[in-house]
Amino acid sequence: SYVLTQPPSVSVAPGKTATITCGGNNIGTKSVHWYQQKPGQAPVVVIYYDRDRPSGIPERFSGSNSGNTATLTISRVEAGDEADFYCQVWDSSRDHLVLFGGGTKLTVL
Amino acid sequence: QVQLQESGPGLVKPSETLSLTCTVSGGSINFYYWAWIRQPPGEGFEWIGYIYYSGSTDYNPSLKSRVTISVDTSKNQFSLNLTSVTAADTAIYYCARIPTSGSVWFDPWGQGTLVTVSS
Repeated sequence: SYVLTQPPSVSVAPGKTATITCGGNNIGTKSVHWYQQKPGQAPVVVIYYDRDRPSGIPERFSGSNSGNTATLTISRVEAGDEADFYCQVWDSSRDHLVLFGGGTKLTVL
Repeated sequence: QVQLQESGPGLVKPSETLSLTCTVSGGSINFYYWAWIRQPPGEGFEWIGYIYYSGSTDYNPSLKSRVTISVDTSKNQFSLNLTSVTAADTAIYYCARIPTSGSVWFDPWGQGTLVTVSS
């Protein structure tokens, strides 16, 4: 079965750049969506279709997807960015399965 | 903007049926897909299934035998039934909209409702 692999945690100092990866077999052939979830809150999409940003999401959030790795990049990290981040794909070829990565805890030092 | 709100019992006994409703406000349920997703406490997400406003559905194969999602366009609501629940079904249950065709992603989400399976 298809698996999305994320690092459990990423730590970054304020003002620096955070990179969160999402690994999957030929994930570059799929559309990847990213969600931010703060404690006690529902998830919010921060990137959809690999690199599109919803209105209201800062330009500091960007995405890319190629080969076996999709990447969420957060530039000029702020304390308020601290959250869990999840990648998600839709596998249109297998039972229309929706899959999530295991999540990455972003800690701002 | 569109808002979603889950409602239903917070406690369900083992072997019984979990029933939740999602009410859509600020927009029409028509012409969109709508989904249920759950998150066990402290864990990641599991997609349960989705439904088109016309009633067509897709379910997670791992839950398919126990899940039914239905829609009531007159009430701008859609619902989840999960039968024969066990403690493993304890989770925060979210409803969400699927904004566009071409891929499945979720925006916005409801605030979520915790359902505990316990006697």
